[in-house]
Parts: sequence; C-alpha cells; structure tokens
Amino acid sequence: DSGVTQTPKHLITATGQRVTLRCSPRSGDLSVYWYQQSLDQGLQFLIQYYNGEERAKGNILERFSAQQFPDLHSELNLSSLELGDSALYFCASSVDDSTDTQYFGPGTRLTVL
Amino acid sequence: GDSVTQMEGPVTLSEEAFLTINCTYTATGYPSLFWYVQYPGEGLQLLLKATKADDKGSNKGFEATYRKETTSFHLEKGSVQVSDSAVYFCALYGGATNKLIFGTGTLLAVQP
Repeated sequence: DSGVTQTPKHLITATGQRVTLRCSPRSGDLSVYWYQQSLDQGLQFLIQYYNGEERAKGNILERFSAQQFPDLHSELNLSSLELGDSALYFCASSVDDSTDTQYFGPGTRLTVL
Repeated sequence: GDSVTQMEGPVTLSEEAFLTINCTYTATGYPSLFWYVQYPGEGLQLLLKATKADDKGSNKGFEATYRKETTSFHLEKGSVQVSDSAVYFCALYGGATNKLIFGTGTLLAVQP
C-alpha cells in the first residue's frame, strides 16, 4: 500500500458526459501528479500540482482540468468524454516538487460507452 | 527530447530462470532512473531506483545498474518466481524536464 488513495475504483459513463476523479496523496506529500494509461498511448503524464499550484503540464487535453485543494487532495475533471478517453487514470504523490520518487495510487478505471 | 526504450514483451520464463529486461534511455543531464512494477489489476509500485552513474538499485532480489556509458538500466533477477508475473516499467526523472517519463512496459509471465 503506497498511502495514495483514489476514488472511485471504476467509473462507467457515456460519451459527452463529465466525471471527476479524486486523489488523496500520502500524508506529508505536497505534490500530486496525474497520469493516463491506455493501450495505445502507454503511461502519459498529464499534470502536476504542488501545494495548490499548477507546476507542470504534460499531454493534457483542453477538455481535462485538475485542481489541488487546501487539504492537498486533488481532483481531475474530464468533460465532453469520448470513447478514446477510456483508460486507467493514476494519481501519484511526492514530498515536494523536485523529489524524483513518486508513489502511485491504485488507479481509476474509466470506461466511456 | 527525453525518452525510455525497453524491450518488447511478453517475456515468458520458467520458475527459477534468470531474468533480464533491457532498458535504455535518452536524456540531457543526469536523470534518476527507476523500475516500477504493475501487478494485475493494481497500480504501479516502485521497485528500485538509482540516482547516479554506477549506482546499483536493488529490491526483492531484483537489481539494476545505472550505466552512463551505455545509457542503460537493465533489470535482472537471478531466479524468478510465479509471483513475479507482472508488467515492468523503466522510467527516468530529470533530464530536460522534471517529470517521470516511462517506457512502454514489458509483460513478464513466469510459468511453474
């Protein structure tokens, strides 16, 4: 158990809908990262937050957004969902924004029908 | 840009066989290197890491050595078990950007 929690574990929704994925980092970690894992794209970095501020952006679509709250939990919002957004979404956390070691949560499996 | 290349799978071995999964990287500067493991239906777990040239990371019988001259970080284990069946990801952090960059993953299947 990495100490990073994600909810829900599974999510099934329809095209055009909007969903919110939630992540709680390990106790004491200030930085949260979101990744997407799909069969065709592999594991891709989406976005990083550190202590409430956006720190880095990767291959994140404009339909996706994220935020980190004062209690350090983070939410990833996915809107206007398409079939191709079906994937595993992982959250990871680290102590700060320059530490190289990240700890991953169990993931949320999103299925868009 | 920075990238990680690892051998295609699946790798199928018998129990107690020797394992090597190749990983090479391209990066500017001096990245840290990692192996993560993903067991079926689970998230990624950090298996081992190395932060500078000639460092050896090791954990649970697995080891990998950071070779700057060959830009490699091959994963090895002397005697695999059925419970080692999983997908193994090589990754780097640092280089041109401070983010984790993953290889495509290698599926290891160990048969009894």
